[in-house]
Amino acid sequence: KNQVEQSPQSLIILEGKNCTLQCNYTVSPFSNLRWYKQDTGRGPVSLTIMTFSENTKSNGRYTATLDADTKQSSLHITASQLSDSASYICVVSDRGSTLGRLYFGRGTQLTVWP
Amino acid sequence: EADIYQTPRYLVIGTGKKITLECSQTMGHDKMYWYQQDPGMELHLIHYSYGVNSTEKGDLSSESTVSRIRTEHFPLTLESARPSHTSQYLCASSEGGVGIEAFFGQGTRLTVV
Repeated sequence: KNQVEQSPQSLIILEGKNCTLQCNYTVSPFSNLRWYKQDTGRGPVSLTIMTFSENTKSNGRYTATLDADTKQSSLHITASQLSDSASYICVVSDRGSTLGRLYFGRGTQLTVWP
Repeated sequence: EADIYQTPRYLVIGTGKKITLECSQTMGHDKMYWYQQDPGMELHLIHYSYGVNSTEKGDLSSESTVSRIRTEHFPLTLESARPSHTSQYLCASSEGGVGIEAFFGQGTRLTVV
């Protein structure tokens, strides 16, 4: 069964600190992995997208890593800001269909305190 | 900023009413999707479309229906709303092909009372 598991479920950090969010998946055959940021009551916004051959990708203070062998990914946020408070969703796409089906994790709810 | 729009953003409606959630994109994308998301839960695909006159059911069974008469427009309709339909509905679109990014609308928060 294709699944995406994220940890921790929620996380509270102080402004300026770093944090790392985890994503494990069982989706096969694997196509790509995306990290989205979803503010409360809004649609997800893409942060990074990585294919099988990529093992790291950065977008400003966000750095995603991918280990396709162990089927794990992480999202590292450096120097956190209050605006980073949001849900971070790991999404894995398969290549077993023309749709490129997306499998969503439940997200990690990050809260940044001043 | 993605050019995909959903209206209304919030809707509170009585049981038994017919509702249509609007979704429009100006990017010329062939593929469009509707997802349902309950608080703290993952997104579930309820409908998708490969292009004009193409509609398919997603993974999560839904009493809603969709239509795709124009490329840019993918409305979702509930003929008779029930409290169990209370949820957030997210529309997305992509160019097509595996690995292409999906862009999401802001969502419609539906409450059926």
